Amino acid sequence: DQQVKQNSPSLSVQEGRISILNCDYTNSMFDYFLWYKKYPAEGPTFLISISSIKDKNEDGRFTVFLNKSAKHLSLHIVPSQPGDSAVYFCAANKGGYNKLIFGAGTRLAVHP
Amino acid sequence: GAVVSQHPSWVICKSGTSVKIECRSLDFQATTMFWYRQFPKQSLMLMATSNEGSKATYEQGVEKDKFLINHASLTLSTLTVTSAHPEDSSFYICSVYRELNTEAFFGQGTRLTVV
Repeated sequence: DQQVKQNSPSLSVQEGRISILNCDYTNSMFDYFLWYKKYPAEGPTFLISISSIKDKNEDGRFTVFLNKSAKHLSLHIVPSQPGDSAVYFCAANKGGYNKLIFGAGTRLAVHP
Repeated sequence: GAVVSQHPSWVICKSGTSVKIECRSLDFQATTMFWYRQFPKQSLMLMATSNEGSKATYEQGVEKDKFLINHASLTLSTLTVTSAHPEDSSFYICSVYRELNTEAFFGQGTRLTVV
């Protein structure tokens, strides 16, 4: 049973436009959510996180929105840049337990 | 600078041999480290939780006798793939947490190819 789902395997966006990556989860015990960016043959790098007590967190061009009732979160990147092209993983964990559960990832391609 | 160092970054080995992968926490002591595996075009799958000074905790479906984990110090965890087979070929990544519920830091990963 996949507890964290990223249903879009890929996304193509034009440079300067907004990229929206979606993530759904099934476990209501998750209380912390994170987004990671990953280039081929490298480990993931942290982008942004959000606690379940919030519904929005913003850091520069990156904003994460959390809808607890829908068990859905999304990552907005605006404006998108070619350097944002990578695989983006959504991850979640439960309080007091550091194990991260990852989604399958979404490959973002930002083209000029 | 890097927070986590993983070595080697890639390795090719023959079937039946064992391979050891090291994960070092460079900036802080880590009582807990995590080992992940990623097959092509798939997600990162947690294999096991490495606990300093005690036995590792393995996820369901991961053979503990095949994937030996040793966390002998607060800065080093090792994963040994024993009697490797071609189906073990994958990308292995370790991670450490600085503190509860902050972001995880990942190693650069190890590409293992078993021929």
